[in-house]
Amino acid sequence: AIRMTQSPSSFSASTGDRVTITCRASQGISSYLAWYQQKPGKAPKLLIYAASTLQSGVPSRFSGSGSGTDFTLTISCLQSEDFATYYCQQYYSYPPTFGPGTKVDIK
Amino acid sequence: EVQLVESGGVVVQPGGSLRLSCAASGFTFDDYAMHWVRQAPGKGLEWVSLISWDGGSTYYADSVKGRFTISRDNSKNSLYLQMNSLRAEDTALYYCAKDEGDGYNCLDYWGQGTLVTVSS
Repeated sequence: AIRMTQSPSSFSASTGDRVTITCRASQGISSYLAWYQQKPGKAPKLLIYAASTLQSGVPSRFSGSGSGTDFTLTISCLQSEDFATYYCQQYYSYPPTFGPGTKVDIK
Repeated sequence: EVQLVESGGVVVQPGGSLRLSCAASGFTFDDYAMHWVRQAPGKGLEWVSLISWDGGSTYYADSVKGRFTISRDNSKNSLYLQMNSLRAEDTALYYCAKDEGDGYNCLDYWGQGTLVTVSS
């Protein structure tokens, strides 16, 4: 199975900050990568698929980039509603695998 | 509006069995593959199983292979997960999720989950 890692595992940030989360795959996955946001007590929500395509309805302050093994999720101007845990997921091959998550909390 | 509503989660003893259900609405159910994903308390997401649009293809995580069976009834817009030989490590919130397409895609809609607790 393809192993996904994320960094950092958690960090604190302030509203208005630009934040970047990194995801790495143990082998090349082309652009078959998705990013999800999960708030406490809620289901995950798809933010980005195909590494850089914004899901309908997701604010444009979210963006994704990368291909192969290295990917990033960037939030250009952090809002209060963005404090959450973010997961990357590869769907290049079965089984689909998730990263361990990155928790973004308030500084 | 896409809605996925899971049910069937309860407290069950180790070695027991359970069937989870997921009722789907707001989209053409038999056009899409469907998944189960679980999340142990305080932990990350773990993919469990996939079923193709017609039920003809299924995939399982190694951790549940041989113990869990995924199925669907397209006439009822429903997805199921039969869970046998349950272990403490199966304790988790189980989410039903819609594939964006044929099973080789991201998961674009998720239910709210149903909690399975395996404990004596």
